[in-house]
Amino acid sequence: KAGVTQTPRYLIKTRGQQVTLSCSPISGHRSVSWYQQTPGQGLQFLFEYFSETQRNKGNFPGRFSGRQFSNSRSEMNVSTLELGDSALYLCASSLDGFYEQYFGPGTRLTVT
Amino acid sequence: KQEVTQIPAALSVPEGENLVLNCSFTDSAIYNLQWFRQDPGKGLTSLLLIQSSQREQTSGRLNASLDKSSGRSTLYIAASQPGDSATYLCAVRPLDSSYKLIFGSGTRLLVRP
Repeated sequence: KAGVTQTPRYLIKTRGQQVTLSCSPISGHRSVSWYQQTPGQGLQFLFEYFSETQRNKGNFPGRFSGRQFSNSRSEMNVSTLELGDSALYLCASSLDGFYEQYFGPGTRLTVT
Repeated sequence: KQEVTQIPAALSVPEGENLVLNCSFTDSAIYNLQWFRQDPGKGLTSLLLIQSSQREQTSGRLNASLDKSSGRSTLYIAASQPGDSATYLCAVRPLDSSYKLIFGSGTRLLVRP
């Protein structure tokens, strides 16, 4: 069974630009969560989607948004990028949001 | 507010040693606890999941225990190997309907040959 995939793996953007990251969950998993990992703050929850509905959102500004498609694939978007948005963005999938979480390899975003 | 703490932040041991990593959480109202491994610059690999009703889980050389009432979990690694060098993270899923994991800051493990 294929694992969680994330594209692209690396991104370099400049301040003020926007970016879209993609996540494909494990087949059959309907819950997709997104996390931001930085050296200073560790792993922080961004949002969780299940069957195209956002069920929870973390404490991030409105510049961070996401969506989920009918095939459970998910995208997250960050608008008006700031230097502090530089981070590893991790996506995780699970059957329903309560069971074991499986993480993808992450997208490394660098904002210059 | 749930907080997860992992001590020590870093650990260096010689190959072959048995070791214990600690994880503590402030609120016992959890659905489950999961241990992960992260290699530098990579994603998280799930090691063990313990449901709140369970006391321990084992996989190969790894054994994780959970004492929900005292807010503690330990990850025991037997006969450590250099390939075990990585950062180990624990995360709890609150019993509420937040659908999120709350992570500790991790223990960075170095196993010296």
